[in-house]
Amino acid sequence: DTGVSQNPRHKITKRGQNVTFRCDPISEHNRLYWYRQTLGQGPEFLTYFQNEAQLEKSRLLSDRFSAERPKGSFSTLEIQRTEQGDSAMYLCASTLGLADDTDTQYFGPGTRLTVL
Amino acid sequence: ILNVEQSPQSLHVQEGDSTNFTCSFPSSNFYALHWYRWETAKSPEALFVMTLNGDEKKKGRISATLNTKEGYSYLYIKGSQPEDSATYLCAFFSGSARQLTFGSGTQLTVLP
Repeated sequence: DTGVSQNPRHKITKRGQNVTFRCDPISEHNRLYWYRQTLGQGPEFLTYFQNEAQLEKSRLLSDRFSAERPKGSFSTLEIQRTEQGDSAMYLCASTLGLADDTDTQYFGPGTRLTVL
Repeated sequence: ILNVEQSPQSLHVQEGDSTNFTCSFPSSNFYALHWYRWETAKSPEALFVMTLNGDEKKKGRISATLNTKEGYSYLYIKGSQPEDSATYLCAFFSGSARQLTFGSGTQLTVLP
């Protein structure tokens, strides 16, 4: 399967713990996005990378959140000192990076985080 | 803050029925409108990207129209099948936000 993959698919953690998620985009895609989706809402933009450069961060991304894409391939999203409000589905998407507005975003299946 | 509204939130239809739902978005600074289908336990899948006022796109039994002047798009499904059951999301790209802003989706259930 050459689609976008995310690991783990599910993560249950206790409040205050740190968690890290991984996203592997489609190999020739140079742009990678992270979104968060909570119950009853659509995905909300968190951050994106053009190759290894993190170009934009949403105000939703508090200082407990950090994302990296060290070699311009896979990306990780880390949440430190998790809070119950962090419980959500975290989605990753990748694109060719040709045009911001019309590029099709190819999504992974998401990582569902539950913070107890 | 950009507001993208989808209606209805959910609907149930019988197999064979045709159905449609609405996505409303700000009409100013419009760049593009995306539609996605998201089946449970799968990845959201792109259906259409629309940019021009009056655009109509079709993929099998699913079609979409776009009105950028009044700020809405309709998604139509003709002869719904159980495999069409999914959440349908629209996402708006504006010149101000420069990112996709998603609606909360319409959850469609097609009953056999």
